[in-house]
Amino acid sequence: NAGVTQTPKFQVLKTGQSMTLQCAQDMNHNSMYWYRQDPGMGLRLIYYSASEGTTDKGEVPNGYNVSRLNKREFSLRLESAAPSQTSVYFCASSTGSGGYNEQFFGPGTRLTVL
Amino acid sequence: RKEVEQDPGPFNVPEGATVAFNCTYSNSASQSFFWYRQDCRKEPKLLMSVYSSGNEDGRFTAQLNRASQYISLLIRDSKLSDSATYLCVVNLPDSWGKLQFGAGTQVVVTP
Repeated sequence: NAGVTQTPKFQVLKTGQSMTLQCAQDMNHNSMYWYRQDPGMGLRLIYYSASEGTTDKGEVPNGYNVSRLNKREFSLRLESAAPSQTSVYFCASSTGSGGYNEQFFGPGTRLTVL
Repeated sequence: RKEVEQDPGPFNVPEGATVAFNCTYSNSASQSFFWYRQDCRKEPKLLMSVYSSGNEDGRFTAQLNRASQYISLLIRDSKLSDSATYLCVVNLPDSWGKLQFGAGTQVVVTP
């Protein structure tokens, strides 16, 4: 099993460009998440999907959109990238909703916006 | 004030020694607690859940102190491979399942 996979691993964008970060999990998990991690700060939740067909905003949703394409895939889109979105982005999944389930993380996407 | 606060370290520990560090959380109604480990430039991975009675997993011991609102992690007989950043994670009440992550405590085990 691959677990949680993310593409791309690295990306450099110019201000105003758009891109989609892809995430897929093969563990049959119901819930999926997108986080960003910045130096000196904890991971912050951008969006989450409690189950297939639902998405909700997290702590820092501005400038992002998501799509839960099916049970396996959860993508994150930056419509007009800004330097403040330079960060490491992690996708995660868990068996169920609620805060008692272990979250499994993908390897991350390192994004730089110039 | 941050929901979850950690000493960033680094804690420099000789191989074989014991190291312990705490994490404080601000919401007294928090319900579940975890320690995740993150190696440099890698993804976080669950190290252990923290139960109200405290729990131990090999060389790692986690404790919860609800009265003072902190959790602790103790590592005995430190190995070089224990060098990592340890993330304190708290599930806030009424937040469905959204977790609050601390910024992490860096541990460096030296030969």
